[in-house]
Amino acid sequence: NAGVTQTPKFRVLKTGQSMTLLCAQDMNHEYMYWYRQDPGMGLRLIHYSVGEGTTAKGEVPDGYNVSRLKKQNFLLGLESAAPSQTSVYFCASSYSTKREQYFGPGTRLTVT
Amino acid sequence: EDQVTQSPEALRLQEGESSSLNCSYTVSGLRGLFWYRQDPGKGPEFLFTLYSAGEEKEKERLKATLTKKESFLHITAPKPEDSATYLCAVLNSGGSNYKLTFGKGTLLTVNP
Repeated sequence: NAGVTQTPKFRVLKTGQSMTLLCAQDMNHEYMYWYRQDPGMGLRLIHYSVGEGTTAKGEVPDGYNVSRLKKQNFLLGLESAAPSQTSVYFCASSYSTKREQYFGPGTRLTVT
Repeated sequence: EDQVTQSPEALRLQEGESSSLNCSYTVSGLRGLFWYRQDPGKGPEFLFTLYSAGEEKEKERLKATLTKKESFLHITAPKPEDSATYLCAVLNSGGSNYKLTFGKGTLLTVNP
């Protein structure tokens, strides 16, 4: 099992450009999450999904959109990137909200 | 507001020198406490879940304990490969939703 995978691993964007981060999991988990990790801030939840076709806002959702068209995939979109979105993005999945989350390797995004 | 505070921020140990990391929390209704290990450039890796005060979990040189106000991660006779950032996260329930709040982590360095 690959677990949770993320593509791409690195990306540099100019302000105003758009991009989509892809997360895939092969554990048949219902729940999927997108986090960002910034120095001195800890992990913060952006959006999450409780099942195929559902999405919900987390702690810091502004400037991001998500989609969960297939159970195994969770996409994070940035429509108009800003320097404040420079961060490391992690995707995670879990069997339920009460159980441990399994994280992907992360995407390092720089917006100039 | 839920708060999770980890201390110390950084800890340097000699190989074989046992110590403990602290995670103190303030949440409205604890549903679980999670410990993760994060290596540089990688995603968090799940270690333990603790659900109630008095509970203990062990894995190799690591032992996690939980009280009503805090959790400790005890490291016995650490080795250089135990060097990593250790993250604590608490799960609480707010109505029908569950929220996971992460601490900022403790950076552990074990010197040979």
